[in-house]
This record gives sequence, structure tokens and C-alpha cells, in this order.
Amino acid sequence: GENVEQHPSTLSVQEGDSAVIKCTYSDSASNYFPWYKQELGKRPQLIIDIRSNVGEKKDQRIAVTLNKTAKHFSLHITETQPEDSAVYFCAAKKAAGNKLTFGGGTRVLVKP
Amino acid sequence: DADVTQTPRNRITKTGKRIMLECSQTKGHDRMYWYRQDPGLGLRLIYYSFDVKDINKGEISDGYSVSRQAQAKFSLSLESAIPNQTALYFCATSVASNTEAFFGQGTRLTVV
Repeated sequence: GENVEQHPSTLSVQEGDSAVIKCTYSDSASNYFPWYKQELGKRPQLIIDIRSNVGEKKDQRIAVTLNKTAKHFSLHITETQPEDSAVYFCAAKKAAGNKLTFGGGTRVLVKP
Repeated sequence: DADVTQTPRNRITKTGKRIMLECSQTKGHDRMYWYRQDPGLGLRLIYYSFDVKDINKGEISDGYSVSRQAQAKFSLSLESAIPNQTALYFCATSVASNTEAFFGQGTRLTVV
């Protein structure tokens, strides 16, 4: 089955700096890659997703890049703010599959 | 607002007891999922259902069972709870597998 690895597991950045989280996936047939943000004590919520026919997608300070050849995708947060502090999860889904496989999560702390 | 609601929010139970976690949704989605969240392991899929007659095992279904009582209701049962089932459990819904998943607030289960 699909395996998704996420790095780093924790990330501490200074407010205003950029944060990058990287995920690798095992199944080359995967074609959908969402990112979820989970604030402390809250439920995960989708922040951005990308499909395999696109190499990059941006939404304000958040961007995701996909490298299908290397089977990895990354989340980039620019100009980080304290409210970006949360756990971030990547996930992948195979084209013919019915379920998402999640990475282990990255705890991001933005220091003021 | 349409939502995904889990009950109870917190539960402490003893080893060997049977316990049911309930999920209801007003989003009108056919697809419902149960996930388990453990630190460092991300979200792992326990069971999923695409309609009331369709139940599928996920990655970690051993020790769990589910019931899809209606389009809006999906329950997770632990037949005989054990301490390593202590975790945060999330129900989720989606329109399709490659669209946004909407999570409930979570149920924190402790088995002593």
C-alpha cells in the first residue's frame, strides 16, 4: 500500500521567516496530495491541495510544490505568523484508490 | 452551518469494556471515515463507508467494528477495549476521495 513519510517532525521558526515541510510517497500512481492544519485542541482542516497534473499551487502565503519524478511534495509557508503554529499533515491518494494515507505530521512553532 | 459531530468528546473506560463512538453529519456527504490519531503517527484509517451498504476496512481495523445506520450516521465500536486503543479518534466525511475531508471535533478515548 501507499506509504507517506513527512519531515521534519518538529520545526521552529522565527516570525517572518519561511517554513518548509517535505513529504515523500511510495506509490507512483498517487495523484491527489492535500495538506491539513490542526491547531491545538482542534480538528484538522484542509489548507491547500494539489493534483498530479499541476507542479505548483499557491494561496496567499502558502504554496505546495509537487515533484512526481522524485515522488515528493512540499508545503511552503512564507512570512510566518504566530497563528501558523500548528501541526501540519500531508496526505496522498492513489488514482484508483479510495482513501488518503497521511504522513506523521509536523509540529510547527512560530516564535514571536 | 453543516457540520460533523462526534459524541462523546471525552471518554475514560476500563479494559475489556465495550464502547461506542458516534458520528453524525449534516453535510449530506455519502463518504464517511473513522481515523485514529497518535503522536508521531499521523492519522490512520480504521474503517470507511461510501454508503449505508458499503463498509470497508482501513489500515488498522483489528479490534474495531463499525455500523452505518444511515447516510448521516457512522458509529465506531471497540468490542473489548485495551489500553493501546487509547488515542484521539476522528470521524470525517467527504464528497469524494479526492476532495476535502471534513473532520469532527474528535473523541479523546482513554482505556485504563
